[in-house]
Amino acid sequence: DAGITQSPRHKVTETGTPVTLRCHQTENHRYMYWYRQDPGHGLRLIHYSYGVKDTDKGEVSDGYSVSRSKTEDFLLTLESATSSQTSVYFCAISVTGTEPQHFGDGTRLSIL
Amino acid sequence: QQQVKQSPQSLIVQKGGISIINCAYENTAFDYFPWYQQFPGKGPALLIAIRPDVSEKKEGRFTISFNKSAKQFSLHIMDSQPGDSATYFCAASIEGSARQLTFGSGTQLTVLP
Repeated sequence: DAGITQSPRHKVTETGTPVTLRCHQTENHRYMYWYRQDPGHGLRLIHYSYGVKDTDKGEVSDGYSVSRSKTEDFLLTLESATSSQTSVYFCAISVTGTEPQHFGDGTRLSIL
Repeated sequence: QQQVKQSPQSLIVQKGGISIINCAYENTAFDYFPWYQQFPGKGPALLIAIRPDVSEKKEGRFTISFNKSAKQFSLHIMDSQPGDSATYFCAASIEGSARQLTFGSGTQLTVLP
């Protein structure tokens, strides 16, 4: 399995609170991605990174921000969580951005 | 707006049967079409992928059929086994876009023993 660790694996929080999810990789891959998975929608890209401090928006980026200060870590932040952001969040990595993406096991986030 | 449409939403097949999942896309710029398999509590795992310069790709019991003119591609699982019971996602991406994947909505496959 690709060396991807997502933390926390589960989190319950309240509307309006800030939340940060972490994706840590040991593969030294250049590209990292954050997706959310919701029933009936498959996975949708939130943000991705193509290098340290280099990030770009995906399909559903509103309400989310990301940071990548080190190759191995990609953080996803919900500045003020809303119930619509209740979802399962997956991190993925890719060597070059043209190679297949490998996914972590996800973070289940519930916002009450 | 869903650029990759997947059907059926759920599928029940007897052991030994053939499972077929279909996807259709709209964006003709897509040039890479992977299929992912996901078990409960796990992330999606790449199963097989195809590029539009071939019409079929086979890996073991798994085959992708690709119809460029119809903008459709499908996954066939031959001799389906209970261990194949999982959710399957088709996806598509464009080279040069950091391979941003656009996923279908998923198909939950159940293979009965």
